[in-house]
Amino acid sequence: EVQLVESGGGLVQPGGSLRLSCAASGFTFSSYAMHWVRQAPGKGLEYVSAISSNGDNTYYANSVKGRFTISRDNSKSTLYLQMGSLRAEDTAVYYCARDALGAYNWFDPWGQGTLVTVSS
Amino acid sequence: AIRMTQSPSSLSASTGDRVTITCRASQGISSSLAWYQQKPGKAPKLLIYAASTLQSGVPSRFSGSGSGTDFTLTISCLQSEDFATYYCQQYYSYPPFTFGPGTKVDIK
Repeated sequence: EVQLVESGGGLVQPGGSLRLSCAASGFTFSSYAMHWVRQAPGKGLEYVSAISSNGDNTYYANSVKGRFTISRDNSKSTLYLQMGSLRAEDTAVYYCARDALGAYNWFDPWGQGTLVTVSS
Repeated sequence: AIRMTQSPSSLSASTGDRVTITCRASQGISSSLAWYQQKPGKAPKLLIYAASTLQSGVPSRFSGSGSGTDFTLTISCLQSEDFATYYCQQYYSYPPFTFGPGTKVDIK
């Protein structure tokens, strides 16, 4: 079964840092681009970041550029999102998602999400 | 970046109703559009990709159509488990893979 499991969320103070992980199983992780999408409480989906299958290419939304870093460890089938200089507006559920066909298509599946709360 | 809009933002319907949701792209995206369903507290679930291809396991009462800039998601006979929020997403011009703002379908 293809599965994505996020972890690492929690409460962090403004200006702090957090690293999210997304453990993948059931497929050849190294063959797929991966994505992070977030959803603020009561709001819609916001695309955050992407990384190519080999990690050579990355993308960041303007809202997180310079503060977040996406990475992957294909030997561990794990995706990461290093989050720094966190702001209240970064409070959201963060989902990792697999590119359906490998590179830049629709997303399937999604993980269950991990909640990040930025507050003092 | 391509902007996606959806209408309506919410609707109330009854079980058995036919429901149509519209998604519009700010520029042509061919058929590079997906639809997702999200229930409260859950992750989005893929329903349709390539504008009209039903994901495996998704009930046939769901259908999608359109190309270019205008797309629709139709639920032919609304069931109780279909009350949720629906999002469209373009993957024609990437990144970013922009999402629509969502359409909430609730019980009348």
